Amino acid sequence: DTAVSQTPKYLVTQMGNDKSIKCEQNLGHDTMYWYKQDSKKFLKIMFSYNNKELIINETVPNRFSPKSPDKAHLNLHINSLELGDSAVYFCASSQPGLRAETQYFGPGTRLLVL
Amino acid sequence: GENVEQHPSTLSVQEGDSAVIKCTYSDSASNYFPWYKQELGKRPQLIIDIRSNVGEKKDQRIAVTLNKTAKHFSLHITETQPEDSAVYFCAASIMGNQFYFGTGTSLTVIP
Repeated sequence: DTAVSQTPKYLVTQMGNDKSIKCEQNLGHDTMYWYKQDSKKFLKIMFSYNNKELIINETVPNRFSPKSPDKAHLNLHINSLELGDSAVYFCASSQPGLRAETQYFGPGTRLLVL
Repeated sequence: GENVEQHPSTLSVQEGDSAVIKCTYSDSASNYFPWYKQELGKRPQLIIDIRSNVGEKKDQRIAVTLNKTAKHFSLHITETQPEDSAVYFCAASIMGNQFYFGTGTSLTVIP
């Protein structure tokens, strides 16, 4: 039983297209995240949602729009894809609080924009 | 906001030697410090964590130390094995609300 799942695992698309990545967690966590990991391996936070509300929106182009239909799901829609969007996108979830635990990551979505 | 720095960016050790990765953080309110291991093509996974009320924690060959005064924490891997080769990330968090990651250390264990 997968804790954090993402679909699709691989995504190859042309510049200018619009695509979506879906994420689901079955851990009952209140907070979900999207990260971008480029070829240099740095994990850059993009968005953070707590119980369906946007908490963090780092300096991400507005072509990226997250949507959280419920606290178990956080999807990422990307408009007008650019070459520089090629990266691995990780979804994660965590449960904040006094006894905070770690984030659990999804398997990643490898996006290649041609 | 929090700023986490991680050193070194790359580290090569002989099998059986020890490896040490160091991180510093800037926000004294950070109270939870996880370490992740990311193997090639895989997701980051927790290997050990430490909370601010503890100075050291050990799990078999892996240990983490925390110096709250100096705002730094370190990962120690003893008796390294080739399967320890991966990218390691440190992170700092305030009660698990947000996680601020270091830039990663690529560890290579040479057989």
